[in-house]
Amino acid sequence: GAVVSQHPSWVICKSGTSVKIECRSLDFQATTMFWYRQFPKQSLMLMATSNEGSKATYEQGVEKDKFLINHASLTLSTLTVTSAHPEDSSFYICSARVGAGGSSRGQYFGPGTRLTVT
Amino acid sequence: QQPVQSPQAVILREGEDAVINCSSSKALYSVHWYRQKHGEAPVFLMILLKGGEQKGHDKISASFNEKKQQSSLYLTASQLSYSGTYFCGTEILGSQGNLIFGKGTKLSVKP
Repeated sequence: GAVVSQHPSWVICKSGTSVKIECRSLDFQATTMFWYRQFPKQSLMLMATSNEGSKATYEQGVEKDKFLINHASLTLSTLTVTSAHPEDSSFYICSARVGAGGSSRGQYFGPGTRLTVT
Repeated sequence: QQPVQSPQAVILREGEDAVINCSSSKALYSVHWYRQKHGEAPVFLMILLKGGEQKGHDKISASFNEKKQQSSLYLTASQLSYSGTYFCGTEILGSQGNLIFGKGTKLSVKP
């Protein structure tokens, strides 16, 4: 159980275009999903917390107009990188939390999406 | 707020044991442990909740010392498949449940 999928696995796009990444919880409902980015040989950096039916909460320094997050259902959250630039190239990983609040039973990660902006 | 992991890297021979530590300056609700292999997403190992817990699976176990806000991951009789980077993710008490990850501990198991 607790399987999270991401699509696509990798994407190469040209500078200035927008890219959408989907994150799905396949066998459970996730009220809360998280979006991380990871640069080579570095730790995971939280970008935003996505709550179903409400606006995402962004971490300090993350541009909400550039990284659009939509959590339209209990099994789907999307991250859209708008007007992508080469410095946005990174490994983007989503996770979904099993349980809520005090009953949290862990977060499960999707397989990640490698974005390369040329 | 980022938890401190130690050691940064460790090299083992198959069958040897290892301990990875994770320490936070904040009061924690939970500590999560993950293993990540190169080019892949992190894989969930286990979660320890406040109140002090110890748990394990196969030859990997962990403990959470609530008083010290420290967690340790124990790898016993390591196997080649244990190689990877281990991250602890801490959930601060009263937060939204988001995890703050340490910088990772790179574990290499040699035959």
